[in-house]
Amino acid sequence: NAGVTQTPKFQVLKTGQSMTLQCAQDMNHNSMYWYRQDPGMGLRLIYYSASEGTTDKGEVPNGYNVSRLNKREFSLRLESAAPSQTSVYFCASTERGGSYGYTFGSGTRLTVV
Amino acid sequence: DQQVKQNSPSLSVQEGRISILNCDYTNSMFDYFLWYKKYPAEGPTFLISISSIKDKNEDGRFTVFLNKSAKHLSLHIVPSQPGDSAVYFCAAPDRGSNDMRFGAGTRLTVKP
Repeated sequence: NAGVTQTPKFQVLKTGQSMTLQCAQDMNHNSMYWYRQDPGMGLRLIYYSASEGTTDKGEVPNGYNVSRLNKREFSLRLESAAPSQTSVYFCASTERGGSYGYTFGSGTRLTVV
Repeated sequence: DQQVKQNSPSLSVQEGRISILNCDYTNSMFDYFLWYKKYPAEGPTFLISISSIKDKNEDGRFTVFLNKSAKHLSLHIVPSQPGDSAVYFCAAPDRGSNDMRFGAGTRLTVKP
């Protein structure tokens, strides 16, 4: 089925460990996004990629890095995980940014202990 | 600085009745608004949208109303069904930062 695929679905990390969250879309969308969802906070943008080869910081980029590997794939890396990064992470894509509805992946629930 | 606010964390409605979910915004530059629906263990899915040049947009059981002077929008679901039970997010594209601003969400429970 067409859409946005995120892996893994669940992950538990120890403080200081690193990991990469993977995201791939098969809709030929130009723009891709990483959000985190925390209770009472809605979704907050971490990083985005308006097109292949470009990445920009969002509202809460500290502690994260991203790579737009190609048009399909956009990965999010935590170099040294902290308990404050415990959250649910969503990847999203859209053909054009702004007014058009995003297609979201099913999320990665990350716990940092 | 939450530019999109959903002040009701939860709402419970009887099946067949109307559900009204509210959203307020502070940025007068927002020119488009969207509602997303989210089930547990799934990502949000786009539900309905409205341009700031309109005051109403309808799609089946779902209607969104926009009151620009009050910086307020609402989502009406009529009649409500148990399958509508989900978290609903209000959102608006922020042209200046290339970001989509989301509210905190309202958890709707529709009781049979």
